[in-house]
Amino acid sequence: KNEVEQSPQNLTAQEGEFITINCSYSVGISALHWLQQHPGGGIVSLFMLSSGKKKHGRLIATINIQEKHSSLHITASHPRDSAVYICAVTGGGADGLTFGKGTHLIIQP
Amino acid sequence: DTGVSQDPRHKITKRGQNVTFRCDPISEHNRLYWYRQTLGQGPEFLTYFQNEAQLEKSRLLSDRFSAERPKGSFSTLEIQRTEQGDSAMYLCASSFRQSTGELFFGEGSRLTVL
Repeated sequence: KNEVEQSPQNLTAQEGEFITINCSYSVGISALHWLQQHPGGGIVSLFMLSSGKKKHGRLIATINIQEKHSSLHITASHPRDSAVYICAVTGGGADGLTFGKGTHLIIQP
Repeated sequence: DTGVSQDPRHKITKRGQNVTFRCDPISEHNRLYWYRQTLGQGPEFLTYFQNEAQLEKSRLLSDRFSAERPKGSFSTLEIQRTEQGDSAMYLCASSFRQSTGELFFGEGSRLTVL
């Protein structure tokens, strides 16, 4: 069973700061997902990646398969980025996603 | 198609009652997943379907839980004889074809068992 660890669990930053959220997993995967969850429950998929780097607007996701590690970066952070960011992986013996516990991000104006 | 929809959004029930949740995935998606999320925790995998076939079930899915996807389109998740520990957000997600396809989530169905 894959173990997914995220850090930090909670992060408060000022508007404009560069944000990094880390994710590590224990066994090989077929894909890694970064998800965003706002209060109320709705989850939005931000990235799905299996190698390298992806960029979408102010968000950047990277993955290092050898080190079993991924990072999510937010540049020029804004209060609307405040949410829970969840790392999840597929593979490692299961087709369903294995989720991290999430990183609760608050961006203060 | 407006995405994955779940119904009801909220359900309050008394312990011992049965409840059923419905998920309508994006129409061309053949994979459908059910997850459960308790307060302050990440979601946990419950089960998934490829078309109408239930391919994997988590050990979290006790005998009181049953899921179906009879025609390979919408799915239902039924919980019998609910317990207070069943209180959670039940999330549905769908994807197209491969297990590495991007997932689209519904808004969730929040269950409160009194």
